[in-house]
Amino acid sequence: DAKTTQPNSMESNEEEPVHLPCNHSTISGTDYIHWYRQLPSQGPEYVIHGLTSNVNNRMASLAIAEDRKSSTLILHRATLRDAAVYYCILRGLNNDYKLSFGAGTTVTVRA
Amino acid sequence: EADIYQTPRYLVIGTGKKITLECSQTMGHDKMYWYQQDPGMELHLIHYSYGVNSTEKGDLSSESTVSRIRTEHFPLTLESARPSHTSQYLCASSEGGRRGETQYFGPGTRLLVL
Repeated sequence: DAKTTQPNSMESNEEEPVHLPCNHSTISGTDYIHWYRQLPSQGPEYVIHGLTSNVNNRMASLAIAEDRKSSTLILHRATLRDAAVYYCILRGLNNDYKLSFGAGTTVTVRA
Repeated sequence: EADIYQTPRYLVIGTGKKITLECSQTMGHDKMYWYQQDPGMELHLIHYSYGVNSTEKGDLSSESTVSRIRTEHFPLTLESARPSHTSQYLCASSEGGRRGETQYFGPGTRLLVL
C-alpha cells in the first residue's frame, strides 16, 4: 500500500479551523483517501473519504490536491470534542479491505 | 450510528487463563476485523474475516485465534493469557465490496494480564 505522511501533532484554539495535512506522493490512480479519528479511550471512527474531488460532510471537509499527492482534512470550527488522533489512510485495489493505520496526527484543542 | 459491540470493555485476568473477547455487529456486514493497539501506539490488524467460516491472519502475528460461525459474531480467544497479551483489542466491520467503504469500530476491550 502507498504510504502517507502526517505531522505528529497540531494545536488549535476552540472554534477556530484546523487544517490537517497528509502527504501521499506515491498514491496510485485508484487509491481512495480515507480519514479516521480516534478519540481518547475509544475505537476509531470514520470521518470522510474521497478520490479526486473535494468532499464535504457534517464532520469535516477534505481538500485533495490536483495531482493527488497530498490532501488536507479541514475541521471548520474545532471543539474540545475534536481532540483526537487523526489518521490519513490510502485504500487501493489490492489491500483486501484492510486499513493500515500509521501514527496519525494528535490534535489538541485549547479552550 | 454504528452498531458494533464488544464485551467486556475491561478485563483483568491472571496468567494462564483462557479468555474470549466478544464482538457482535447488527449491520449484517460480511467483513469483520480484529486490531490490537498498545497505549499511544499504532493499530495493527491481527485477524480478519470475509464471511461465515472465513478467517485470515492479519499483518501482526498474534497467538490469539478467531472464529466466524455466524455473520454477526466474531469472537477472539486466547487459550492461555500472558502479560505480553496486555493491550487494547478493537473489533471492526465493513460491508465490503468497495474501496470507498467505511469500517465501523467497536469501543474496544482493554485487557490486562497479571
